[in-house]
Amino acid sequence: ELKVEQNPLFLSMQEGKNYTIYCNYSTTSDRLYWYRQDPGKSLESLFVLLSNGAVKQEGRLMASLDTKARLSTLHITAAVHDLSATYFCAVPTNYQLIWGAGTKLIIKP
Amino acid sequence: ETGVTQTPRHLVMGMTNKKSLKCEQHLGHNAMYWYKQSAKKPLELMFVYNFKEQTENNSVPSRFSPECPNSSHLFLHLHTLQPEDSALYLCASSQASVEYGRSYEQYFGPGTRLTVT
Repeated sequence: ELKVEQNPLFLSMQEGKNYTIYCNYSTTSDRLYWYRQDPGKSLESLFVLLSNGAVKQEGRLMASLDTKARLSTLHITAAVHDLSATYFCAVPTNYQLIWGAGTKLIIKP
Repeated sequence: ETGVTQTPRHLVMGMTNKKSLKCEQHLGHNAMYWYKQSAKKPLELMFVYNFKEQTENNSVPSRFSPECPNSSHLFLHLHTLQPEDSALYLCASSQASVEYGRSYEQYFGPGTRLTVT
C-alpha cells in the first residue's frame, strides 16, 4: 500500500528565511504533484514533477523529485508572508492520488 | 464558466434533510472525484469515477450517494447526515486513468462548506 509522508506538518518561520518541506513515499512512482491550499479555500496545483531529477521553480518556490530515494522537496527561498498556506504533496496510484497530510506554513513578518 | 465549478458554495442542513451537491468540469476530463476535508484532518478521498464508472468507494457511509450522469457532471446526494459530516467537500477532475498504476494531476473546484445542525 502506498503511503505518503510529509514533514514537518507545521512550520512557523520568519520572513526572509529559507526552509525545505519534505515528502517521502513508500512505493515506486515516476511522478509527484505539489498543491497549495489557502485557509478556507480549495487546492491549487503548484508543480507537476514527471521524472527522476525533475526540478521546477516558480518565484520563491522550487520543487524537486528523486525517484530513487522516493523523495520530493519543496524549497522556500527568502520567505514572504503571502506564501503562508498549507502545502500538500500527492503521488499517483491506481485511479487516484495518495495525499500527504499537508504542511501548514506560517510566515511571520 | 471555466475549470471546475461547485454549487452551492455553502450549505446548512438539518439531520433529517436531503440535499445534493453539484460539480461540473469544463476541462474535457474523464475522471471526477469527491473529497471530504474536515478541520485538522487529512484530505479524505470519498469516490472516484473514471469514464462515468465508479472505480473507488473508500468505505463511505451510505448516507452519501454519488451520481455521475456524464463525464462533465458529478453529484453527491446527502441524506440523514450527522454533525460529524460537517466539512468542506471538494470536487476534482483529471484526465482519466487508462493505465494501471497511473493517475493524473487533479483540478479542484472551490468546494462546498457543509454544516449539519
